[in-house]
Amino acid sequence: DARVTQTPRHKVTEMGQEVTMRCQPILGHNTVFWYRQTMMQGLELLAYFRNRAPLDDSGMPKDRFSAEMPDATLATLKIQPSEPRDSAVYFCASGLATYEQYFGPGTRLTVT
Amino acid sequence: AQSVAQPEDQVNVAEGNPLTVKCTYSVSGNPYLFWYVQYPNRGLQFLLKYITGDNLVKGSYGFEAEFNKSQTSFHLKKPSALVSDSALYFCAVRGGNFNKFYFGSGTKLNVKP
Repeated sequence: DARVTQTPRHKVTEMGQEVTMRCQPILGHNTVFWYRQTMMQGLELLAYFRNRAPLDDSGMPKDRFSAEMPDATLATLKIQPSEPRDSAVYFCASGLATYEQYFGPGTRLTVT
Repeated sequence: AQSVAQPEDQVNVAEGNPLTVKCTYSVSGNPYLFWYVQYPNRGLQFLLKYITGDNLVKGSYGFEAEFNKSQTSFHLKKPSALVSDSALYFCAVRGGNFNKFYFGSGTKLNVKP
């Protein structure tokens, strides 16, 4: 049963610290998405990759957030420096071309 | 601007009754349409999709959805609700100039025994 995996599942950090979240997409999927979910804003698309190339990162605060795919089995989302307003659940999802996405379990980030 | 609307923040239904969760969209082209469900502290889970063909699509857990092109709607339905269907439901549309995904704001479904 292929699944998207995310690490860590929970992260508590202090303001100003660097946070790195990792995602392993389902083997063979060529699109990867990063989302942020909060009660206030709902589900927001942060970044979108196809074949490891960034296609859209317009939803991501560029000054502190960065997303990369070093290889086809790893996607990373980094926040540096982190701020309390970054507290949220971050989801990674993968899929094939224009079809449905499969979501990971999420990383719950708390910045104090 | 491209958008997906779920007009109801919450839908309450009694167990055994039919349920409908509404979704309308404003996305150019011939969009692909999806429904996802999210249980507490979990990621979103794919339920069903419409790409082309029959306007009524069937998905997981007895859910189905009806695509209506003229009304640009894709309402989720189930003939008989279960308490275990209680969750947050998201409508998503893929389309527009850059073939992006657009998610609705979510509808919380409460099924009471």
